[in-house]
Amino acid sequence: DGGITQSPKYLFRKEGQNVTLSCEQNLNHDAMYWYRQDPGQGLRLIYYSQIVNDFQKGDIAEGYSVSREKKESFPLTVTSAQKNPTAFYLCASRRTLEIREKLFFGSGTQLSVL
Amino acid sequence: DAKTTQPNSMESNEEEPVHLPCNHSTISGTDYIHWYRQLPSQGPEYVIHGLTSNVNNRMASLAIAEDRKSSTLILHRATLRDAAVYYCILSTGGYQKVTFGTGTKLQVIP
Repeated sequence: DGGITQSPKYLFRKEGQNVTLSCEQNLNHDAMYWYRQDPGQGLRLIYYSQIVNDFQKGDIAEGYSVSREKKESFPLTVTSAQKNPTAFYLCASRRTLEIREKLFFGSGTQLSVL
Repeated sequence: DAKTTQPNSMESNEEEPVHLPCNHSTISGTDYIHWYRQLPSQGPEYVIHGLTSNVNNRMASLAIAEDRKSSTLILHRATLRDAAVYYCILSTGGYQKVTFGTGTKLQVIP
């Protein structure tokens, strides 16, 4: 079945540590997105990518980094500069750049600080 | 970016219709209106989208005001499985980023 796979489901970070969240899609989608969700809140856009080797900052990119070396993969690194990283992280993709296209989401990664 | 406004929460009785409103007064002519819903601890899932005309699919109906400044998601018979947070978003022409607000938390009462 086609879809988006996020791993791990749960992740713990020690202070000062960088951690990387994985997002893989086998839908052959061009666009990919990373969102952060805090308890009881909506989704906030961290980064998005329209095409391989290109990505743009969203609304809350500070303390995060991404790469898009392959079409199917869009990993997110939460760096030590992100002082409040505890949140639910969601990866999404969209088939083309057409604005009518719907988003497909992964099942999320819950990141907590030890 | 064009913004949407939704009530924070709504309640519905099971097996009754539910009308979830969304205001988007700054919508531009090429913006699509999308609805997603999110169950607890899961990623959002697509529900429906439209541009100008009302739309129906197996999950719901979308009614769009003539001036496009508001829309309503209609669940024809609410079930307990419909209890979720519903997001109304605008997919903005010329921009590829897609932003979400806080949505409406729908509670379905048995």
